[in-house]
Amino acid sequence: QKEVEQDPGPLSVPEGAIVSLNCTYSNSAFQYFMWYRQYSRKGPELLMYTYSSGNKEDGRFTAQVDKSSKYISLFIRDSQPSDSATYLCAMSFYGNQFYFGTGTSLTVIP
Amino acid sequence: DTEVTQTPKHLVMGMTNKKSLKCEQHMGHRAMYWYKQKAKKPPELMFVYSYEKLSINESVPSRFSPECPNSSLLNLHLHALQPEDSALYLCASSQVTGTVNEKLFFGSGTQLSVL
Repeated sequence: QKEVEQDPGPLSVPEGAIVSLNCTYSNSAFQYFMWYRQYSRKGPELLMYTYSSGNKEDGRFTAQVDKSSKYISLFIRDSQPSDSATYLCAMSFYGNQFYFGTGTSLTVIP
Repeated sequence: DTEVTQTPKHLVMGMTNKKSLKCEQHMGHRAMYWYKQKAKKPPELMFVYSYEKLSINESVPSRFSPECPNSSLLNLHLHALQPEDSALYLCASSQVTGTVNEKLFFGSGTQLSVL
């Protein structure tokens, strides 16, 4: 079993839709959770970072962590064509190792 | 400033060439990383430097040689690469707080093609 599981998609939604992206994990020691957005042939860009259960909001983005279920989500409201990218979840607990999901490819159709 | 700068952005090299990738950050981060990423795959860890010392080498072939001249700079020296080494090479850095490395920041990457 992989440490972090993420549905690769692809996911296709109309402009303005609410997008839900999810990751599950197996290691209850994970404490720090990140979401990255990656455009084709570019480096991943850190979108959201949280270290506690609950919700964290930043503009159109909301990161949700449920440690009891070992489940994290990223919600994108009012999705735009510019949100079309691959979204990676990542986690860490101690030391200098980060564990990545496989990434979900999202296309927002105008 | 949350920027990690990588040069060059693109690199084409033959299997007998020697080249270097460069990375720089000015966020005061004390951990720096090299990742390799193939298309439609997540980043794959190659090396980690912590306080300018190599702390993780993920069994990377010796044709890849990392170097950390100081806390802001990270190089990856390439020699006698194979076509299967063609990939996006990503540099990253993170703050170190106690035993935890937080918030990994990536550069824009070097797209490497080996002919």
